[in-house]
Amino acid sequence: GAVVSQHPSWVICKSGTSVKIECRSLDFQATTMFWYRQFPKQSLMLMATSNEGSKATYEQGVEKDKFLINHASLTLSTLTVTSAHPEDSSFYICSARAMDGFQETQYFGPGTRLLVL
Amino acid sequence: GQNIDQPTEMTATEGAIVQINCTYQTSGFNGLFWYQQHAGEAPTFLSYNVLDGLEEKGRFSSFLSRSKGYSYLLLKELQMKDSASYLCAVSLGGFKTIFGAGTRLFVKA
Repeated sequence: GAVVSQHPSWVICKSGTSVKIECRSLDFQATTMFWYRQFPKQSLMLMATSNEGSKATYEQGVEKDKFLINHASLTLSTLTVTSAHPEDSSFYICSARAMDGFQETQYFGPGTRLLVL
Repeated sequence: GQNIDQPTEMTATEGAIVQINCTYQTSGFNGLFWYQQHAGEAPTFLSYNVLDGLEEKGRFSSFLSRSKGYSYLLLKELQMKDSASYLCAVSLGGFKTIFGAGTRLFVKA
C-alpha cells in the first residue's frame, strides 16, 4: 500500500513559537492531502484540505492565519502552527487519498504529537 | 449538518464475534470507510464500501446500506490485539472525509 510519512513525530515547544510539520507521500503523488487534529479520546477533526499549487480549504472554525498550509509539490504538504499556545497541544495527522487497485482509500501518516508549554 | 453515530465503547471476549454499528446523516456520500486506531497511533485502513452489501476481508467484514444510512463492521475470532478504537468515516463529495467519534473495543480473555 501507499506510504505517507510525517516529520517530526513529536515536538515540544514554548508558547509563542511556530512549529512546522511535514507530510510526504513516499511512493505516490498526492494532489490533495488532508490535515486532521485529534484530542485525547476524541475522533479526528478535519482542519483543512491541502491542494497542490493552490490555497488550502479550511474547515469552519479553523483559523487560516494560525494554521498555515503549503502544498508546494505533489509529494509534500506542510502545516505550520504559528504562535503556538498550550491549547494547540494535540495529535496532528495528515492523510492522502490514493487508489489501491480499483479501490479508493485514504492513507494516514503516523501523526505528530505537539506539546506546547 | 453532518452526523455520524457509533457506540462509545464495547467489550467482547477473545474468540468471539463483535459487530460495531454506524449510522450516518451527511450532505453527500461517496462511500464509507472503517479504520482501526490503536492508542497513540494513526488510523489504519480496514475497508471502504461504496455499494450496498457485505464485503469480507479475512476476519473483518463490513456492511453498507445506503438507503438506511447504516453500516457495520464485523470482527470474527477476536484476538487481544483487536483491542482498539474503530472509526467509521464517510467520504463526502469533493474528496472530504468526516469521522465518527469512534468505538473503543475492549477484548478480554
